[in-house]
Amino acid sequence: DGGITQSPKYLFRKEGQNVTLSCEQNLNHDAMYWYRQDPGQGLRLIYYSQIVNDFQKGDIAEGYSVSREKKESFPLTVTSAQKNPTAFYLCASSSQQMNTEAFFGQGTRLTVV
Amino acid sequence: QKEVEQDPGPLSVPEGAIVSLNCTYSNSAFQYFMWYRQYSRKGPELLMYTYSSGNKEDGRFTAQVDKSSKYISLFIRDSQPSDSATYLCAIRGGTGNNRKLIWGLGTSLAVNP
Repeated sequence: DGGITQSPKYLFRKEGQNVTLSCEQNLNHDAMYWYRQDPGQGLRLIYYSQIVNDFQKGDIAEGYSVSREKKESFPLTVTSAQKNPTAFYLCASSSQQMNTEAFFGQGTRLTVV
Repeated sequence: QKEVEQDPGPLSVPEGAIVSLNCTYSNSAFQYFMWYRQYSRKGPELLMYTYSSGNKEDGRFTAQVDKSSKYISLFIRDSQPSDSATYLCAIRGGTGNNRKLIWGLGTSLAVNP
């Protein structure tokens, strides 16, 4: 089955630690996205990548980093510089012909303890 | 004024009712209009995708766009308990910076058996 896989589903991090969220897709999509979802704030774009080895900052990129070394993979690192990292993180993908994020993963809930 | 406004609800209806969900937007440059469904603790799922004005029907779902009023709607006929979810509208312009997806905050729907 084609789709997007995010792992882990739940993640706990101590303050001051970096943590990496995984996102893998087997849809052969060129574009991939990372969003953050907080109650009452809707989805906010962190980073996106339209092609391998290239990515752009979204609206709230500070404290986050990404890489796009393979078409299938777009990992997100939440660094210690992110002041309020507890949130629900969503990865999405789309093909070049689509004008919207067509598929989302099931999300990773990150909690700072 | 926010670029996209969506009443958060919650909206509670009996099974079999017709549900109307709505969003308003401010930028007349927006051209692509989407509705997503999100179950609790899951990623959003693309339900409907519409370009420009008009209606689009898919099974029990109808998406309607009125560009003159900057108003979009999602109608659900013969609503089922499985339709209980949060419904997100998302809107996108055509080119350049307007291509960023603008999200509503979501409307929470409960369909009671």
